[in-house]
Amino acid sequence: AQSVTQLDSHVSVSEGTPVLLRCNYSSSYSPSLFWYVQHPNKGLQLLLKYTSAATLVKGINGFEAEFKKSETSFHLTKPSAHMSDAAEYFCVVSYYGGSQGNLIFGKGTKLSVKP
Amino acid sequence: DAGVIQSPRHEVTEMGQEVTLRCKPISGHNSLFWYRQTMMRGLELLIYFNNNVPIDDSGMPEDRFSAKMPNASFSTLKIQPSEPRDSAVYFCASVVAGSTDTQYFGPGTRLTVL
Repeated sequence: AQSVTQLDSHVSVSEGTPVLLRCNYSSSYSPSLFWYVQHPNKGLQLLLKYTSAATLVKGINGFEAEFKKSETSFHLTKPSAHMSDAAEYFCVVSYYGGSQGNLIFGKGTKLSVKP
Repeated sequence: DAGVIQSPRHEVTEMGQEVTLRCKPISGHNSLFWYRQTMMRGLELLIYFNNNVPIDDSGMPEDRFSAKMPNASFSTLKIQPSEPRDSAVYFCASVVAGSTDTQYFGPGTRLTVL
């Protein structure tokens, strides 16, 4: 069965330091992969997506993620954290482009940013 | 574009009452999804529609839950009767069916059943 695992439930960084949120997926097919962000009491916002084009994907707010097929990973990074990055982040995998109801969500990683 | 619109944003009701959640998808999107988010179970797909037709409702927890999409611009999720364990945030999302695009999520409805 397809699945996605976010390796850390909580990550804490200091403002201005790098962010790394880890995600691994199980794959029988070529997946589409997404990262969503959810700020407190808000809906989910798309950060970036991978759909078999370039393996390094750039998203909004300075985030990027690299698709590594050999490692079945899609880690999210940002060079320098900002206080406004504090939120929950979801790694999501879809095997049909996300339009057929089969988005599989990770459990989420809560990012805290200390001043 | 106004994005996916959900109403109400917050709902507090008593056990046994009927609850109706509403969703307006993005214009032009013909797939619509209902999700539920809880601390214990994370995000779960409840049901989705393509072109107003329910395609997969295997995530609907039990018969107390029902969803309809009478037209391309409106969907409802109804819980009757409601129970405290239904307390959660319910999200609606939409996308163009068959595209490789991602789903666009509404702001959610926070339901509390007392």
